[in-house]
Amino acid sequence: TQLLEQSPQFLSIQEGENLTVYCNSSSVFSSLQWYRQEPGEGPVLLVTVVTGGEVKKLKRLTFQFGDARKDSSLHITAAQPGDTGLYLCAGPTSGTYKYIFGTGTRLKVLA
Amino acid sequence: NAGVMQNPRHLVRRRGQEARLRCSPMKGHSHVYWYRQLPEEGLKFMVYLQKENIIDESGMPKERFSAEFPKEGPSILRIQQVVRGDSAAYFCASSPIGGGEAFFGQGTRLTVV
Repeated sequence: TQLLEQSPQFLSIQEGENLTVYCNSSSVFSSLQWYRQEPGEGPVLLVTVVTGGEVKKLKRLTFQFGDARKDSSLHITAAQPGDTGLYLCAGPTSGTYKYIFGTGTRLKVLA
Repeated sequence: NAGVMQNPRHLVRRRGQEARLRCSPMKGHSHVYWYRQLPEEGLKFMVYLQKENIIDESGMPKERFSAEFPKEGPSILRIQQVVRGDSAAYFCASSPIGGGEAFFGQGTRLTVV
């Protein structure tokens, strides 16, 4: 069974601080997606990483896919209150390609 | 290009009634996924469908729950004889290919009273 574990589960930081969120699996994924979800809304796709070792940047967010394609990280520089939300990694399983989600990291950025 | 549309956004049902949740995928997307989310929790996979076929329903309860994605029209998640424990947010996502990027609707919040 393919699983995605995220850490930390909760994170509360001050505006301007940096943070990293991790997404780990014992299985290889062909790709991983990162989503952000705000209360009362559906998850919004932030990025897809496909190639082992790939790094993608989205303004202050940096996403990395592990060389072995079993893990990924999301780094936020100079966090802002608008970054508050639930961050989820997800990926298609081998075989049926159903999407499974990580356990989620709930981020709160205090002004 | 309209996104994934789910309706209704909010649904209240009494115990024992049926709930029907609809999902219209993005244009050109033939793959649909349904997820359930309890408050303060992540998304739990329920079922993955392609037009007229159920590909993977390993996350769907064996009783009372069913899903379809007909050739024409939206995907439907049907919950019969609802119980209080069915209260949750149900999200639908679509993608153009299996394993491709999935885009989400805004969800249906089901409350069973």
